[in-house]
Amino acid sequence: KNEVEQSPQNLTAQEGEFITINCSYSVGISALHWLQQHPGGGIVSLFMLSSGKKKHGRLIATINIQEKHSSLHITASHPRDSAVYICAVRSGETSGSRLTFGEGTQLTVNP
Amino acid sequence: GAGVSQSPRYKVTKRGQDVALRCDPISGHVSLYWYRQALGQGPEFLTYFNYEAQQDKSGLPNDRFSAERPEGSISTLTIQRTEQRDSAMYRCASSFVKGEQYFGPGTRLTVT
Repeated sequence: KNEVEQSPQNLTAQEGEFITINCSYSVGISALHWLQQHPGGGIVSLFMLSSGKKKHGRLIATINIQEKHSSLHITASHPRDSAVYICAVRSGETSGSRLTFGEGTQLTVNP
Repeated sequence: GAGVSQSPRYKVTKRGQDVALRCDPISGHVSLYWYRQALGQGPEFLTYFNYEAQQDKSGLPNDRFSAERPEGSISTLTIQRTEQRDSAMYRCASSFVKGEQYFGPGTRLTVT
């Protein structure tokens, strides 16, 4: 079992739909990151959070430390949101700042 | 600098050759990370530095892989005696200590 698991692996939506991507992890963490990987390959950090909820534009990230679960929501999805979304955790143990990544969720938003 | 830069962006090499991949982090970022990403998979941690000190190299797959950051800025990831299984995207990221990580564009390595 991977330390970080994402679901779904693939997601297809129609423009305007509300989207949720889930991330579960099995280790103690000090922070969780949501990243976006564009079709061209570049990776952009969307959120870093250790508790509660963060919002940036149409993106919302939540984390429940007790349940070891995080969700990334996209409201009013748009074709330009099509990308791979990756969850990564920074361990709270002595391994320092290394990130452990999920496999990613491929999102396709159709017009 | 404006962002993390990596060079070369693409590298094709013959099996058995050594390669050196360079990462130039964002100015002022203390931490520098190296990751490897196979096609269709998430990145995999290789190693990271705080300043010039290599803090964790547990992700390096074997002793053909090494990394250095001698002056606490630019870093080089070296792969000796390359093998076909080393073909992947190698990504560098930098951050303030335990801060948000900013990723470079990656070096696509192909070993033939």
